[in-house]
Amino acid sequence: GEDVEQSLFLSVREGDSSVINCTYTDSSSTYLYWYKQEPGAGLQLLTYIFSNMDMKQDQRLTVLLNKKDKHLSLRIADTQTGDSAIYFCAEGSNTGKLIFGQGTTLQVKP
Amino acid sequence: DARVTQTPRHKVTEMGQEVTMRCQPILGHNTVFWYRQTMMQGLELLAYFRNRAPLDDSGMPKDRFSAEMPDATLATLKIQPSEPRDSAVYFCASGLVGPGNTIYFGEGSWLTVV
Repeated sequence: GEDVEQSLFLSVREGDSSVINCTYTDSSSTYLYWYKQEPGAGLQLLTYIFSNMDMKQDQRLTVLLNKKDKHLSLRIADTQTGDSAIYFCAEGSNTGKLIFGQGTTLQVKP
Repeated sequence: DARVTQTPRHKVTEMGQEVTMRCQPILGHNTVFWYRQTMMQGLELLAYFRNRAPLDDSGMPKDRFSAEMPDATLATLKIQPSEPRDSAVYFCASGLVGPGNTIYFGEGSWLTVV
């Protein structure tokens, strides 16, 4: 079945890089996503990667995909206090349905 | 700036009462989702619609929950009767299924059943 796993918590210092990891089980996933949720708000799409890609970079964000190991990571360069939030990994198929991980809380210390 | 709009933002109700949550998807999106978020279960997919037709509602307790799309601009999620265990944040999301499958979330309806 479909399952997405993430570590629950990550703490970094301001200016450091953050790496949030995710594993998924559905090999037929077409796209993989990263969403950000700030307190009291909905989920904001950060970036996504097509399953036939290995890497995608968007400003401070770098997504790496290891399809063989079904492992996805999100790297945030020069992490700022405003990056503190919950980050969700999700896998999706051509049906449009997304299955989310349980979310990783990123704490950025000044 | 197109966005998914949900009402109410916050709702406190007594056990046994009916609760109706509404969602206006982004114009032109053909797929609408209802998710529930709790501390214990995380984000659970309750139901989703494609072109207003229900595709999958297997995540939804059928005895008390119902989801409909009366028209392309409105999706509803109803709980009757509500129970304390239904307390959660209910998110509506919409998307246009295709390359990228980008899905956009509303701000959520924060439900407390006492």
